[in-house]
Amino acid sequence: NAGVTQTPKFQVLKTGQSMTLQCAQDMNHEYMSWYRQDPGMGLRLIHYSVGAGITDQGEVPNGYNVSRSTTEDFPLRLLSAAPSQTSVYFCASRQTGTGPYNEQFFGPGTRLTVL
Amino acid sequence: GDSVTQMEGPVTLSEEAFLTINCTYTATGYPSLFWYVQYPGEGLQLLLKATKADDKGSNKGFEATYRKETTSFHLEKGSVQVSDSAVYFCALSTNTGNQFYFGTGTSLTVIP
Repeated sequence: NAGVTQTPKFQVLKTGQSMTLQCAQDMNHEYMSWYRQDPGMGLRLIHYSVGAGITDQGEVPNGYNVSRSTTEDFPLRLLSAAPSQTSVYFCASRQTGTGPYNEQFFGPGTRLTVL
Repeated sequence: GDSVTQMEGPVTLSEEAFLTINCTYTATGYPSLFWYVQYPGEGLQLLLKATKADDKGSNKGFEATYRKETTSFHLEKGSVQVSDSAVYFCALSTNTGNQFYFGTGTSLTVIP
């Protein structure tokens, strides 16, 4: 299993440009999520999905869109990049429900700089 | 609402010193608790977990016990190594399993 994969690893954008951060998992997990990590702020949830066709907002959704057409993929779209979106972005997945199986598995991250 | 509060960093220790990173939580019901570790330039990896009160999670010499009476899940290691230098995150997962909350992270540096 590849686990959770993210592309690209690094990206530089100019203000106003759009782009899509890709995330895929091969563990058949229903739950997928996107976080951003900023110094001193820990991890903040952007959007999450509990299954194909179902998405919901997290703590900091503004400026980002998501969709979930398949179980495997959960892309994050920046419609018009702003310098405030400079961050490291992590995708994660896990099984839904409670119990010992609900740990999250993280991708390696995408480091985004918006100029 | 549900939340996690962990010890502010950064923490600097000498090799072989004892480590404690405090973590307390607020949650309704019976959450699952986790410690994740992030090495420089990498994503988060699960270090250990506990899914019910009095459970002890352990891995790589690290331990944490789920204390419902004090709503705590403190991370400990008896003798740290330089290779333990990383950022450590405490986290909880709610009863429904649909929400995951992280602490702000504690940076640990171990010096030889």
